[in-house]
Amino acid sequence: NAGVIQTPRHKVTGKGQEATLWCEPISGHSAVFWYRQTIVQGLEFLTYFRNQAPIDDSGMPKERFSAQMPNQSHSTLKIQSTQPQDSAVYLCASSLGGGLGSYEQYFGPGTRLTVL
Amino acid sequence: GQGVEQPDNLMSVEGTFARVNCTYSTSGFNGLSWYQQREGHAPVFLSYVVLDGLKDSGHFSTFLSRSNGYSYLLLTELQIKDSASYLCAVRTPNYNVLYFGSGTKLTVEP
Repeated sequence: NAGVIQTPRHKVTGKGQEATLWCEPISGHSAVFWYRQTIVQGLEFLTYFRNQAPIDDSGMPKERFSAQMPNQSHSTLKIQSTQPQDSAVYLCASSLGGGLGSYEQYFGPGTRLTVL
Repeated sequence: GQGVEQPDNLMSVEGTFARVNCTYSTSGFNGLSWYQQREGHAPVFLSYVVLDGLKDSGHFSTFLSRSNGYSYLLLTELQIKDSASYLCAVRTPNYNVLYFGSGTKLTVEP
């Protein structure tokens, strides 16, 4: 079991460019979560998929951010027209599902995004 | 809103204990999790509690008081390698999304 895989590990973009982050959840996990972590804000929830369907995107900035899960083996987080304040570590996590017994989330190593 | 609060820093001595506090005020409650995060690494699950009282898991124990919106993580027989950030996260009924505190950085000194 390779755990949750995230690529790239580091990404540097110029202001105004687009960034796409990739996540491969643990095989058999039906829930996928995206978080953003900064020193100032801590670890913030962005969005959540279950069985590939978007369930809750209440943490996503309404403009420029979008997430998809086209199949059970990967999810993407896309940031259009990146801004310096988007600089953060973006973490993906997966769990068995949304039931009471599936409380443990397994985190990937994260993608450190730096917007110059 | 979802409010989960933790102290920023905590220092303790090798061989003793440390208690990491967490208070929360959230729209609904479906359990509380503790994660350990080392510098430059992903959070790692430690414990989950949903009922009041103390849950003893050996090196780590967790306490929950739902009426007070309070939990703590107790680490005993501290080792230098326990130095890390400890994150408290509240799971809401809203599809089990986790809301994290900012984390407490524990430093264990010799």
